[in-house]
Order: sequence, then structure tokens, then C-alpha cells
Amino acid sequence: DVKVTQSSRYLVKRTGEKVFLECVQDMDHENMFWYRQDPGLGLRLIYFSYDVKMKEKGDIPEGYSVSREKKERFSLILESASTNQTSMYLCASTVAGTGLYGEQYFGPGTRLTVT
Amino acid sequence: GESVGLHLPTLSVQEGDNSIINCAYSNSASDYFIWYKQESGKGPQFIIDIRSNMDKRQGQRVTVLLNKTVKHLSLQIAATQPGDSAVYFCAESLTGANSKLTFGKGITLSVRP
Repeated sequence: DVKVTQSSRYLVKRTGEKVFLECVQDMDHENMFWYRQDPGLGLRLIYFSYDVKMKEKGDIPEGYSVSREKKERFSLILESASTNQTSMYLCASTVAGTGLYGEQYFGPGTRLTVT
Repeated sequence: GESVGLHLPTLSVQEGDNSIINCAYSNSASDYFIWYKQESGKGPQFIIDIRSNMDKRQGQRVTVLLNKTVKHLSLQIAATQPGDSAVYFCAESLTGANSKLTFGKGITLSVRP
């Protein structure tokens, strides 16, 4: 079974802190994604990566950055956390060969609260 | 997550009945569609997909129907069980190299015992 893991299930940070959310997948997937999920808004794409050291902005990249130094690991960084970044963050990866649109495997999510 | 379903439309069905969850997609050019299920406290999980060259596709206890004329997608669950209670999302995409999935807001399915 494909496994996508995220470093924390729950995280509480203060406004202005730098926050790192880590995601690891164990199936050698090429493409990895970070979404945020808010009640009533669905999943919104923050950033994605189609290869090591490659990254592309999604629909809502402002206030975020990403890092992909190894194929299995994709990190989401909040440079200076703000209260409007309180959300559920979901990482996903796609099966090799299906492109960016293919079936995505999701991690369990990290619920981040910024106070 | 646990609060995802709070602001979503809810479909309530009796255990054992069939469920039909509907989705209107936005892009008439989309040619690939997926249904996801998200249980409380978990990430979304793939259920079934369909390409635009098909009108219907069946899985185990689930059927997806695609009506391209009216940009409508539906998920039918046969003999709904308590374990089917979750938020269901449709997602659409173009099958081009740089295309990405666009997710709908989701519908909460609640199964009455």
C-alpha cells in the first residue's frame, strides 16, 4: 500500500513563527502536492512539485514556500505564520506516469492552529 | 478533517438504501474525473475515476455516471452502510501534462442506522 505520512497531526504555533510541515511518501512518486482544506472551501492547491528541486505555484501560494531536496520528501514552509493560515494541510502524491492530474494519494493531514 | 463537513450540504440516507451524490463540474473541457471519500480525521481516499470517453463506470458497490452535456457527475453507492458516512468530493482535470485536479467543495453523506 502507498503510504503518505505527515510529520504532525496537530500543531499549534504563534503568529510570526516559521513553521515547517513535512511530508514523506514511500512509493517513489514523482509528483507531490500541498493543499489546504477549509470548511466550505474544499481543497485548494498551494504548491506542487514534479521532480526533486522543482516546484510550481498552485492557486494560493502567498505566504508559503516549499522545498523538495529528496524525491520522497516535500516540505511546506510558512515563513511567518498568521492566523489566517489556521487550517488543515494535506499532502498528496501521484502514481508515476499519470502526470499531475492522476489519482492522488493523500496523507492524514496536519491541523495547524496559529494563535 | 473533522470540521470539513460542517459547512457542506448533507445527504442523509437510511442504511441499506442506495445513495446518489451529485457534482456539477465547471470546465467543459475537463476529460478526467475522480471521486474521493474523506472520513473524519483522515485524508481523502480515492474511490473511482472516469474518463470523458465513458458515460458510466462501475466499481465495487459504486458507480460513477458522467453527463458531459450538462457537466454533471454522480456517484451511486449501492446498499449504503454506516462506514460510507463521510465527505465526498468530485475532482476534474484535463489530461494534459501540466493539468492539475480541481476539487469540488464536497457533500457530507450521513447514514442513518
